[in-house]
Amino acid sequence: QKEVEQDPGPLSVPEGAIVSLNCTYSNSAFQYFMWYRQYSRKGPELLMYTYSSGNKEDGRFTAQVDKSSKYISLFIRDSQPSDSATYLCAMSALGGNDYKLSFGAGTTVTVRA
Amino acid sequence: NAGVMQNPRHLVRRRGQEARLRCSPMKGHSHVYWYRQLPEEGLKFMVYLQKENIIDESGMPKERFSAEFPKEGPSILRIQQVVRGDSAAYFCASSERNTGELFFGEGSRLTVL
Repeated sequence: QKEVEQDPGPLSVPEGAIVSLNCTYSNSAFQYFMWYRQYSRKGPELLMYTYSSGNKEDGRFTAQVDKSSKYISLFIRDSQPSDSATYLCAMSALGGNDYKLSFGAGTTVTVRA
Repeated sequence: NAGVMQNPRHLVRRRGQEARLRCSPMKGHSHVYWYRQLPEEGLKFMVYLQKENIIDESGMPKERFSAEFPKEGPSILRIQQVVRGDSAAYFCASSERNTGELFFGEGSRLTVL
């Protein structure tokens, strides 16, 4: 079993739709949860960063963390063609080595104009 | 205000040759990390370096792989006697401190023939 599971998709939605992405994980030590966006042939770019359980909103993006279920989500409202990318969830544990991120395999999203 | 710079962007090697990948961190960043992304898999942590020191190499294969971050110049990831299984995208990231946001480069894509 992988430490972080993420549905690879692909996911195709019309412009303006809500995109829902999620990851599950097995390591209960994870405390920091991130979502990265990666355009084709580019490096990952940090979108959202949350600590422990709860919700965080930033513009059209909402990240949710449910530690009891070991489940995290990213919602993109009013999706745009420019949101077409691969979205990677990542997480790390406490203890001073939170640079050691565990990534999901990524979900490829296409927003159709 | 350059980001993390990696070169070469693409590298082709035959089995048994050596591959050298270079990474210059963002200005003001002294912490460098290497990650590997295999097809259909998430990014995997390889090594964490500060200037002239390897801090954590727990994700790096014990043989054929080495990394350095000299006092002057870029960080280098070196793969000796490459095999087909080394074909992957290698991403470098840097940070200002050993915690917090990692900024990723655009990656070096190694193809082993």
